[in-house]
Amino acid sequence: AQKVTQAQTEISVVEKEDVTLDCVYETRDTTYYLFWYKQPPSGELVFLIRRNSFDEQNEISGRYSWNFQKSTSSFNFTITASQVVDSAVYFCALNSDTGTASKLTFGTGTRLQVTL
Amino acid sequence: GAVVSQHPSRVICKSGTSVKIECRSLDFQATTMFWYRQFPKKSLMLMATSNEGSKATYEQGVEKDKFLINHASLTLSTLTVTSAHPEDSSFYICSAKPAVAGDIYEQYFGPGTRLTVT
Repeated sequence: AQKVTQAQTEISVVEKEDVTLDCVYETRDTTYYLFWYKQPPSGELVFLIRRNSFDEQNEISGRYSWNFQKSTSSFNFTITASQVVDSAVYFCALNSDTGTASKLTFGTGTRLQVTL
Repeated sequence: GAVVSQHPSRVICKSGTSVKIECRSLDFQATTMFWYRQFPKKSLMLMATSNEGSKATYEQGVEKDKFLINHASLTLSTLTVTSAHPEDSSFYICSAKPAVAGDIYEQYFGPGTRLTVT
C-alpha cells in the first residue's frame, strides 16, 4: 500500500522567509513518481513538479526547490523568499506502478500562510 | 495543451435529487479518468477510476450505486451523484490520463466542481 505523510498541517511565515514543507512517503514499488501540487483558495490544483524514483537529483525552479532523498523516503519542498501569493495548501502525492491505473495517493496537505 | 474542464464549476441541489458532473479532456484523448473527492480542509481521496468503454473501478467504501460513473468517449467522463444528501456536499475533482502519454504517470487535473446539497 502507498502512503504519503505531510506532518505539518499548517505553517505561517512572514514574507521573505524561507519555508520547507516536508513529505515522507511509503511504497513497496521500485518505480514510482512523486509530485507536488499547489491548491490556492480557488480550488484548482496547480502542478509544481514530478520526480521519478530513479532521479535523486535535487531540482530548483526559481524560488522553488525540491530535495528528494530515497534513503529517508522524503521529498521536501522549499520556498525561498516566500511571498503572499505563495499562500495555499500544498499537497505531496505518490504515483506508483499499480498496473494501468497509476493512481495518485495524496498526503493530507500543508496549509501555508504567508503574511506581510 | 493538456487542458481538462469540469462542468459545472458550482452546483447547488436539493436533497434527494441527482446531479451530473462532467469531466472533459479538451485537447487530448483520455482512456482513463480519475474522480477525487475533497472535503473542506482535507486531502483528495480517490473515489473511482473510469476507463473508456468499460465499468468504473471504485475504491473501497465508495458506493457505486450512489456515484454513477460513465466514460462514454475518450474525452468525456461523467459522475452522477444520485439521491444526493447534505453529506455528499464536497469538492469533486477529476483528472485525465492521456491515451498517448509521454509516460504512464502523466495525468492532468480539472478545476473541480463544488457541490452543495441543501
